[in-house]
Formats: sequence, C-alpha cells, structure tokens
Amino acid sequence: EPEVTQTPSHQVTQMGQEVILRCVPISNHLYFYWYRQILGQKVEFLVSFYNNEISEKSEIFDDQFSVERPDGSNFTLKIRSTKLEDSAMYFCASRATGGFNQPQHFGDGTRLSIL
Amino acid sequence: ELKVEQNPLFLSMQEGKNYTIYCNYSTTSDRLYWYRQDPGKSLESLFVLLSNGAVKQEGRLMASLDTKARLSTLHITAAVHDLSATYFCAVDIGGGADGLTFGKGTHLIIQP
Repeated sequence: EPEVTQTPSHQVTQMGQEVILRCVPISNHLYFYWYRQILGQKVEFLVSFYNNEISEKSEIFDDQFSVERPDGSNFTLKIRSTKLEDSAMYFCASRATGGFNQPQHFGDGTRLSIL
Repeated sequence: ELKVEQNPLFLSMQEGKNYTIYCNYSTTSDRLYWYRQDPGKSLESLFVLLSNGAVKQEGRLMASLDTKARLSTLHITAAVHDLSATYFCAVDIGGGADGLTFGKGTHLIIQP
C-alpha cells in the first residue's frame, strides 16, 4: 500500500538554527498537510497546500515557518530560526482529492528536538 | 473556533469488556474521522463518517455520527489487548484543503 514517507525520523538542532523537514506524499495525491504533536498532547494543524500554494494555515504557522514543493514529489517544511517550543513530532499528510470520503494519510513523523 | 472534546482521556479496561469513547464538537459538521496511534507511531485511519446517522464497523470497533448532537462514538466490543492505543477523533469543517481539528485523544489500555 502506498505510504507517506518522512525524513529524517529524528532531527536534533541547536536553538536558532534552521531546519528542513522532508516529506514524500503518496504519488497521486493532490492535497498536502503538516501537523505537529507536542509530546503527550493532541495533534495540531499547521498548514495545508494545494495547487502549489498554501490553502490554509493555523495561528501556529507564523513567519518562522514556510512550506515548499520543490519538485514533483517532495513537500518540505522549513523552520527558519528554531525555538525550544518547536520541539515536537511533525507529521506530514496527504489526501488524494478534495473529496471528504478520502481520509488524510499520515507519515511516520519526524521527531524534532531543539537544544 | 472549533473545539473537539473527547472523553474519557484515559481508559483502562479488561479484555472481553465493552466500552464507548465519545467525541463532541462545537461547530456544525458532517465530516468526522477516527484515527488510531500506537506509541511513537503515526496516525492510522480507522473510519470516515460523512453523514448524520453514519455507522461504520471494522472488527471489534464501531463508529457512529450524530451531526445534530455534534457527537460521534467509537464503541469497542469484547476488547482485546491488541486494541490498546490512543484513539483520536478529528473534525473537518472546511473545504477539501483544510486541516483537521483533533481531539486530545483517548489513551486506551486493555489488560488481560
């Protein structure tokens, strides 16, 4: 079964450094998402992306965050200057179409640890 | 602002018992999803509920949606240890590109 793949699985970064999290969505999917989950807490929506532009973003997704689809397969989340509170698990998800009968499919996540 | 509340947040039960997890949400929607998460793992889609009265079943799990009451339930029948996990409900109120709003999750432990 096709999967959403994320790399790296674990990223350790010094505070203030830039970090890029990478995702390869399922190949025929059109909608892409980033979520984060702080340890032990609920999953929070960050941003959605469709047709090469951001569709929706949450309050968490401030100017420090950006997303890009640099080629036909990768979808990246960049955090420009990391803070301690950015430590979390970051999940990428994709959905085939805008039809709601299709769930969002999640990758295994990248655990980001800011020191 | 959409709020999604699950209860209980923690549930310890014995194998063979039945139980129900509740998911309430604050804004009209007829699109609700249930996910399962094992420790340190990703979210696995369990059910997609898209209309009032929708009921879906898979094995020992059954999910239902009452859009008028803004309530979904996930019922576990004759629980087995393998069902131990955290279960999240998530609501979608926007268009196809919009993000999901998740509940805090129900951490379920099933003891032999």
